[in-house]
Amino acid sequence: ETGVTQSPTHLIKTRGQQVTLRCSSQSGHNTVSWYQQALGQGPQFIFQYYREEENGRGNFPPRFSGLQFPNYSSELNVNALELDDSALYLCASRRGGNYGYTFGSGTRLTVV
Amino acid sequence: AQTVTQSQPEMSVQEAETVTLSCTYDTSESDYYLFWYKQPPSRQMILVIRQEAYKQQNATENRFSVNFQKAAKSFSLKISDSQLGDAAMYFCAYRSNSGGSNYKLTFGKGTLLTVNP
Repeated sequence: ETGVTQSPTHLIKTRGQQVTLRCSSQSGHNTVSWYQQALGQGPQFIFQYYREEENGRGNFPPRFSGLQFPNYSSELNVNALELDDSALYLCASRRGGNYGYTFGSGTRLTVV
Repeated sequence: AQTVTQSQPEMSVQEAETVTLSCTYDTSESDYYLFWYKQPPSRQMILVIRQEAYKQQNATENRFSVNFQKAAKSFSLKISDSQLGDAAMYFCAYRSNSGGSNYKLTFGKGTLLTVNP
């Protein structure tokens, strides 16, 4: 298995800007989830995509949006960045059924 | 909503010794999974061990084992013969098995494990 790859690894943006984070999942992984991990905290569920449709969302505002593509890649978009959006963003993907999630190494986003 | 609590922010253990990390959770469901993930400085979440709620037998993976007490909603991780490479942040996580968005993982706040040589 090739794993889950996230890009970029680090990113610095200014408050009010927009950002796109990318994730490349393993072939056959038709479910992808995104998590936000603030410093010193456990990851918090943002949303999940299954076969290119959002099918679950956590307590995050609409300025957090996503896309999943047929080639098993996905994006997390955040508009109107706020200082509190500074965190590690993790992508996790899996095949259907009861297979476990494979995580990427995350993108560290800093909003200044 | 499900919650996961890890009451030990930090733990330390001597190399080759045994350490137990605690986790409790709250749910009204009967069908779910529990996980322990390890997050080293490389940041990638690595699955350590998984327990299915309907299985009474505690899961084991080499030096890692769990004590799953379903009635008490407790799920502790025991690491035997600790190695320097075990040093990391450990997260306990819950996942419903009822389908759809309930496949999300709910994490605790983590326990930072230090292994002393």
